[in-house]
Amino acid sequence: GAGVSQSPSNKVTEKGKDVELRCDPISGHTALYWYRQSLGQGLEFLIYFQGNSAPDKSGLPSDRFSAERTGGSVSTLTIQRTQQEDSAVYLCASSSRRGREPFYYGYTFGSGTRLTVV
Amino acid sequence: EDQVTQSPEALRLQEGESSSLNCSYTVSGLRGLFWYRQDPGKGPEFLFTLYSAGEEKEKERLKATLTKKESFLHITAPKPEDSATYLCAGEAAGNKLTFGGGTRVLVKP
Repeated sequence: GAGVSQSPSNKVTEKGKDVELRCDPISGHTALYWYRQSLGQGLEFLIYFQGNSAPDKSGLPSDRFSAERTGGSVSTLTIQRTQQEDSAVYLCASSSRRGREPFYYGYTFGSGTRLTVV
Repeated sequence: EDQVTQSPEALRLQEGESSSLNCSYTVSGLRGLFWYRQDPGKGPEFLFTLYSAGEEKEKERLKATLTKKESFLHITAPKPEDSATYLCAGEAAGNKLTFGGGTRVLVKP
């Protein structure tokens, strides 16, 4: 597609439930990132996928968080047993890692999923 | 640990009143310093990448500059449509961005 697509755009869930957030990156982009933006805070890195390499999971805040990327395209971020502190906007970004392209065109972000845990 | 700090947190400007935003960074092996604009309810939108000290980039009323420790985003004669949150981020060797907390800019007509 023309941009990075995320779904759902809004999700309200009860504490303790599991949620899945989806990201459809730009076609052909080999790199995919998940970030979290809490109210009034900067973007916090969660996880990075690059091609077929093992993902960089160093930003995942707890083992309740996991992510996968199927077929080098769509990614799903799963949060198990949600807590109120998980409430945030979850942003996905993709980029080409070909040569200098990431620097010429930047990372393209989706509009995010606003997660509210009640 | 990589760190990016932006100041001020918020900036209120009159239309036409030029100003600068600051981004101080400590990013090991910096490969690029990115500026993004974020409007409410939307994801960040790419503006510029700067690579080396002394470099400058311009786009309409925005000009970004880079030193070895800081980057500045100058807004010249801003208009109300320049109101947004401006984010800077450094990319290190691990291919991930470390973001600052952003500067919320409000330009009043």
